[in-house]
Amino acid sequence: GNSVTQMEGPVTLSEEAFLTINCTYTATGYPSLFWYVQYPGEGLQLLLKATKADDKGSNKGFEATYRKETTSFHLEKGSVQVSDSAVYFCALSVLNSGGYQKVTFGTGTKLQVIP
Amino acid sequence: DAGITQSPRYKITETGRQVTLMCHQTWSHSYMFWYRQDLGHGLRLIYYSAAADITDKGEVPDGYVVSRSKTENFPLTLESATRSQTSVYFCASSTEHEQYFGPGTRLTVT
Repeated sequence: GNSVTQMEGPVTLSEEAFLTINCTYTATGYPSLFWYVQYPGEGLQLLLKATKADDKGSNKGFEATYRKETTSFHLEKGSVQVSDSAVYFCALSVLNSGGYQKVTFGTGTKLQVIP
Repeated sequence: DAGITQSPRYKITETGRQVTLMCHQTWSHSYMFWYRQDLGHGLRLIYYSAAADITDKGEVPDGYVVSRSKTENFPLTLESATRSQTSVYFCASSTEHEQYFGPGTRLTVT
C-alpha cells in the first residue's frame, strides 16, 4: 500500500533559521504530493503541492520539489518566523478505484520557532 | 460564509452514548470525507461519500455510521461511543485534485 514517512518532531528552531522537514513516500502509480499545515486549534490547510516529477511547489516562502528518483518531497524554508510554528503534514494522493483521490498522510512534524 | 464547517467543535460524552458530529459544506463538492487524527497516526480515513446516498468505508470504519441525504451535509454517528474513539475528527470535501478540511471536532469519551 501507499505510505508517507516524515521526520519525527518536535523541531525547534530560532527565528530566521533554515528549515528542512524530510518526507519520503511509497506509492503505486503516479501520486501527487502535498504539504499541509495545521495551526493550533485549526484544521489542515494546503500549503503547497506538486503533481509530477521535478515539479516544485511553493507558497509563503516554503518550497518542496517532487523527486521521483529518491521518492522524496522535503519541505524547506530559508528563514522561519515565529508565526510558522505549527504541525506540518506530508501527504500523497492517488486516484482510487472508488473514483476519488485517496490521500495518505504522514504522522506530522511539529515545528516550534522561538524568538 | 462559503466553506466547510463542523459542529460541535468540542464534545464530551460518556461511554455507550450515541453522538453525532455534523459537517456542512457550501461548495457542492461531490466527495466528502471523515478522518480521525491521533498522535502517531496522522489522519486516518473513516468513511467517504462520492455523492448523496453513496457512502463507503475507509481504513477505520468500525464503530461509526455515516449518511448523506443531501450533498452539503455528511454527519458521522458513533452509535455507542468507546474511549478508543476519543480523538479529533476532521471532515473534508474535495475537488478533483484537492481536499479542503473543516476546523475539526475534539471528542472526548469518558
